[in-house]
Amino acid sequence: GESVGLHLPTLSVQEGDNSIINCAYSNSASDYFIWYKQESGKGPQFIIDIRSNMDKRQGQRVTVLLNKTVKHLSLQIAATQPGDSAVYFCAENPQGGYNKLIFGAGTRLAVHP
Amino acid sequence: GAVVSQHPSWVICKSGTSVKIECRSLDFQATTMFWYRQFPKQSLMLMATSNEGSKATYEQGVEKDKFLINHASLTLSTLTVTSAHPEDSSFYICSATPGERGSYEQYFGPGTRLTVT
Repeated sequence: GESVGLHLPTLSVQEGDNSIINCAYSNSASDYFIWYKQESGKGPQFIIDIRSNMDKRQGQRVTVLLNKTVKHLSLQIAATQPGDSAVYFCAENPQGGYNKLIFGAGTRLAVHP
Repeated sequence: GAVVSQHPSWVICKSGTSVKIECRSLDFQATTMFWYRQFPKQSLMLMATSNEGSKATYEQGVEKDKFLINHASLTLSTLTVTSAHPEDSSFYICSATPGERGSYEQYFGPGTRLTVT
């Protein structure tokens, strides 16, 4: 079935380092991908998105890379800060339009001072 | 902009009772709302898709008679957990999309923690 998975369930980094969170997706027809950040007890917070016609998109301190050849998505966080500590989910829209998202398993990012 | 609220933020109920959770889009009209369930240390699992004025579409394995969804207006969707049992204890999260042409983004609510005793 359709699934979005992550390679690393947890990631520990030092404050100031760059973080890379990876995600694999299985549906080659997916045309929209999103990264969310979720802090404990809260709803997901939008970080950055990318359409399938792009391979890179940059935001403030974050970059999303999309490799459609191997169906891989990554989130890069520059100069990671303690406030970045959270669980990060990738999600894909396999049907296009205003349809459901399929979420990956999540990666916990722990930033150490 | 694009704020989604949920009420209540947490609720404790006794086994066998029903609980209603509200999801509101505060500053936009949501043609579609989604309901998710999240168990501890797990990902979000989509339960159903709710379109204003029509019946919700439930994901496979989700009991429509147990999880009643009503999307009566463009700013409000409700999820009622009927005859709740301890295994229904979870974090319930809604999201809403404006449905504007070319906009795929979903805006998430803060979640509702349900504990069934």
